[in-house]
Amino acid sequence: QAVLTQPSSLSASPGASASLTCTLRSGLNVGTYGIFWYQQKPGSPPQYLLSYKSDSDKQQGSGVPSRFSGSKDASANAGILLISGLQSEDEADYYCMIWHSSAWVFGGGTKLTVL
Amino acid sequence: EVQLVESGGGLVQPGGSLRLSCAASGFTFSTYWMAWVRQAPGKGLEWVANIKYDVSDKNYVDSVKGRFIISRDNADNSLYLQMNSLRAEDTAVYYCARDSGGALDNWGQGTLLTVFS
Repeated sequence: QAVLTQPSSLSASPGASASLTCTLRSGLNVGTYGIFWYQQKPGSPPQYLLSYKSDSDKQQGSGVPSRFSGSKDASANAGILLISGLQSEDEADYYCMIWHSSAWVFGGGTKLTVL
Repeated sequence: EVQLVESGGGLVQPGGSLRLSCAASGFTFSTYWMAWVRQAPGKGLEWVANIKYDVSDKNYVDSVKGRFIISRDNADNSLYLQMNSLRAEDTAVYYCARDSGGALDNWGQGTLLTVFS
């Protein structure tokens, strides 16, 4: 079982909100991890969006709009990237990442389509 | 402005070796962890290795342990990845990234390694 699981794809309409999930493997407690989120558009390197561990321990990437935010769902053992007011330029691949067992581990990524 | 420029990618046969370089500028290189992340064609991101600012700590993904070596030259603001015993599954774009306590907050454009027989 992968350490981090992300849905492979998600579609949403312009102006709507999209909630991207990053589920931790059973046995790992999301509450103990900082979750890091990245956006990657075709042909470009990834861009750091934000990190979220708790409401008092979070960071927004430089220049990243506030409509990108992070949270956790403890009941689902998942980190969440919420994108509000979706724009066409938000169409991209999104990856989550955690530090686990002395290694950075990425989720498989979610392809977000805005249509 | 932070800049990271990778070089050294190319075509290599299985079992061969190659060294990637990353030239850093626009920040105090000697005070940051640095990392290599790769992306196979059409696939997701995979962290490969990172190195502490003073070289006292290095970490690797299991699939490259014993084959790849990460290093840095703080006097030259450069990061390196020595890759040995290359396999077809190492084929990927390799990115250099600045590691700010987990936030890989700046990335290079990447360099492509193709391992073919």
